[in-house]
Amino acid sequence: DAGVIQSPRHEVTEMGQEVTLRCKPISGHDYLFWYRQTMMRGLELLIYFNNNVPIDDSGMPEDRFSAKMPNASFSTLKIQPSEPRDSAVYFCASSFDGGLVLGELFFGEGSRLTVL
Amino acid sequence: SQKIEQNSEALNIQEGKTATLTCNYTNYSPAYLQWYRQDPGRGPVFLLLIRENEKEKRKERLKVTFDTTLKQSLFHITASQPADSATYLCALDGGTYKYIFGTGTRLKVLA
Repeated sequence: DAGVIQSPRHEVTEMGQEVTLRCKPISGHDYLFWYRQTMMRGLELLIYFNNNVPIDDSGMPEDRFSAKMPNASFSTLKIQPSEPRDSAVYFCASSFDGGLVLGELFFGEGSRLTVL
Repeated sequence: SQKIEQNSEALNIQEGKTATLTCNYTNYSPAYLQWYRQDPGRGPVFLLLIRENEKEKRKERLKVTFDTTLKQSLFHITASQPADSATYLCALDGGTYKYIFGTGTRLKVLA
């Protein structure tokens, strides 16, 4: 398996533009997580899905952020409109339900977003 | 409020020594705790998981302890090597598989 695949790896955009980040989880994994990482705040959980259904989106900072998982092999995180404070590395991770204990998280390489 | 704290200062140690990293948490009752390694420009990579009923877990040169009374986990790397230099993150289940991460500790092993 190729692991969790994220695209784009780098995105530079101007304030006010729409940004769409994409993620393909590992086949067979039923959990998908979106995280944002900055120097100041570390790795923050934004939203996670189980079997394509959003379970907890309390970490989504504002209505400008939205996430979807139309099927088991694809998820998007959209920011519209983008602002400079959204600049960060966005990680997608997937995992599987190992019974009582969720399996380890498998992270993608991240999408580095810069909003000018 | 809920908090997960790791030593935000970088930890520098000499090659061959044991590195000990700390993860403290408040207002959580995790059933298990995980440790991850993150290299610059890469995503975190899973290292070890320890359950609340396990006092200690080992994997090669790595050892993790979990004290639910102290609300603390310690992560040890014995016989450290320059290749162990990275940022190490602890993560715990904030409820219903909601994985929350600490801010990480940057370790540098000096040759």
